[in-house]
Amino acid sequence: SAVISQKPSRDICQRGTSLTIQCQVDSQVTMMFWYRQQPGQSLTLIATANQGSEATYESGFVIDKFPISRPNLTFSTLTVSNMSPEDSSIYLCSVATGWTEAFFGQGTRLTVV
Amino acid sequence: DQQVKQNSPSLSVQEGRISILNCDYTNSMFDYFLWYKKYPAEGPTFLISISSIKDKNEDGRFTVFLNKSAKHLSLHIVPSQPGDSAVYFCAASAYSGGGADGLTFGKGTHLIIQP
Repeated sequence: SAVISQKPSRDICQRGTSLTIQCQVDSQVTMMFWYRQQPGQSLTLIATANQGSEATYESGFVIDKFPISRPNLTFSTLTVSNMSPEDSSIYLCSVATGWTEAFFGQGTRLTVV
Repeated sequence: DQQVKQNSPSLSVQEGRISILNCDYTNSMFDYFLWYKKYPAEGPTFLISISSIKDKNEDGRFTVFLNKSAKHLSLHIVPSQPGDSAVYFCAASAYSGGGADGLTFGKGTHLIIQP
């Protein structure tokens, strides 16, 4: 298993600003993922972040809005840019340690006002 | 188009009885299925998984059944305990990646265990 720490756990932000969410893992992992859970919806994959390469974004998500960094095998950041109230969601970092189940951080609850 | 569907937003079960949570999927490329449990203000925690080469996997009080022809899986919890009250997410992965390809989630079922 992997222990994942996400920061911040929650934030209230003004529209038009940006927030960077950090994800720290206690072991080296190849694949990290960022998910979003909007109110009343399922978790939706935003992008896959692999160390040493550009993040791969799912349909409906773009790098300008959700830039991702993956500087090493234990750390990643997701930035929510130019926020609007529609970005209010829980954002979750996840890792997969090879052929195994994915593990999740505790999530970042973002409210945009 | 939702590829993983949990049609019951909530389920109420008496303590000690069996809880059955259902999940349907549409993508025939899915071949690995997982159940997660989520408490408020926490991330999902892995519960149990099943590969498409099996039709049943059991772990203590939790059993997952897979019916590939019907594209249906279910999670059985027996006996149900108060601590089982949580939101349960069904998730699926294609190409036998387990969690390694990113997961497709259902909307979740809120299980409430009544004393």
